Amino acid sequence: KQEVTQIPAALSVPEGENLVLNCSFTDSAIYNLQWFRQDPGKGLTSLLLIQSSQREQTSGRLNASLDKSSGRSTLYIAASQPGDSATYLCAVRRAVGNQFYFGTGTSLTVIP
Amino acid sequence: NAGVTQTPKFQVLKTGQSMTLQCAQDMNHEYMSWYRQDPGMGLRLIHYSVGAGITDQGEVPNGYNVSRSTTEDFPLRLLSAAPSQTSVYFCASTQTGYGEQYFGPGTRLTVT
Repeated sequence: KQEVTQIPAALSVPEGENLVLNCSFTDSAIYNLQWFRQDPGKGLTSLLLIQSSQREQTSGRLNASLDKSSGRSTLYIAASQPGDSATYLCAVRRAVGNQFYFGTGTSLTVIP
Repeated sequence: NAGVTQTPKFQVLKTGQSMTLQCAQDMNHEYMSWYRQDPGMGLRLIHYSVGAGITDQGEVPNGYNVSRSTTEDFPLRLLSAAPSQTSVYFCASTQTGYGEQYFGPGTRLTVT
């Protein structure tokens, strides 16, 4: 079974700071890893998708990296803004069984 | 495009009642899935389908049934609701070829 862990569970930073969110997984046999954002009471919004053959993906102020062999991914957010406050979730698509497994998320608060 | 739609948005059931949560997507995605999200537990996969006529169990399938008669629709049936099924339910569809997951807005279900 794939276990996905996100540390820290909660993070509070002042506006403008650069920050890193972590995601680790136990089974390196994955097709891809996807980062999502979830606002309170809302659905999940896709941020970045990294295929297993890729090392990183970038979108605006977001950069996600993947080290499949060590079972780790990081989401880097540059110049954080209060609008970035949300819960960030990572999900891996396991190659065996073709199922998705989610971490429990990191709740981010950016203080103006 | 409407993307992934779910109905209803909210539902209250009494123990023992049955109901169907509806999910539809207009992106011609082969892979669709149902998750439940509970506080502190993240999203857990209930059932998934890799195409019309094909379904399989996820991590927490007990108490739920699914069928997939068309590419567009993937309903989730609760045969006899229990308080333990109180949760937020999300439907997702995935781009063919290990692409991104897209989520619906969710259904908040309370079983009393």
